[in-house]
Amino acid sequence: GAVVSQHPSRVICKSGTSVKIECRSLDFQATTMFWYRQFPKQSLMLMATSNEGSKATYEQGVEKDKFLINHASLTLSTLTVTSAHPEDSSFYICSARDRGGDYGYTFGSGTRLTVV
Amino acid sequence: SQKIEQNSEALNIQEGKTATLTCNYTNYSPAYLQWYRQDPGRGPVFLLLIRENEKEKRKERLKVTFDTTLKQSLFHITASQPADSATYLCALGMDSSYKLIFGSGTRLLVRP
Repeated sequence: GAVVSQHPSRVICKSGTSVKIECRSLDFQATTMFWYRQFPKQSLMLMATSNEGSKATYEQGVEKDKFLINHASLTLSTLTVTSAHPEDSSFYICSARDRGGDYGYTFGSGTRLTVV
Repeated sequence: SQKIEQNSEALNIQEGKTATLTCNYTNYSPAYLQWYRQDPGRGPVFLLLIRENEKEKRKERLKVTFDTTLKQSLFHITASQPADSATYLCALGMDSSYKLIFGSGTRLLVRP
């Protein structure tokens, strides 16, 4: 089945630094990927839709200059959290749509970001 | 306002029983609804999709119903097992985009 690989799984960074999270579709081409963040015991909140070869579409309230998304190829999307602060600490998850239809979306395993 | 509601309290059932989880939504007109399983510290895993013109969908021990009049979906796990213990998320999908809108999830605990 479709697999989305997300790295790193955990990262701790200092306040003010930037962190890059990678999301790769391993056995399919993903023209569209999605980035979510999830706080403890809360739902997944969509941050942005990443489109291969074009600019990402951000959800209302998400700072595009802080959360940089690059989707340079059909198998790789990256999320860079710039000038991270403790309030950016969260669980970040990517997903991609493979065949669509009744097959749902494939999610990465998530990245636990802790900003100290 | 638009809302997706799932029981915030954990559902605690005995092994072998049927678990029924509820997803209600307000002010959405989804073209389809999906159910996912999420284990702690992991990404969601797709389980089932049901479209607006479908009443019921089954897959092995799983069954989903979709009532667009009541704006509700029910998710059933029959002959539940301790390994079914997880958080279950419903998500609404619109045909106009590929975005999914998630409910907050219900935690299921199956006691041996």
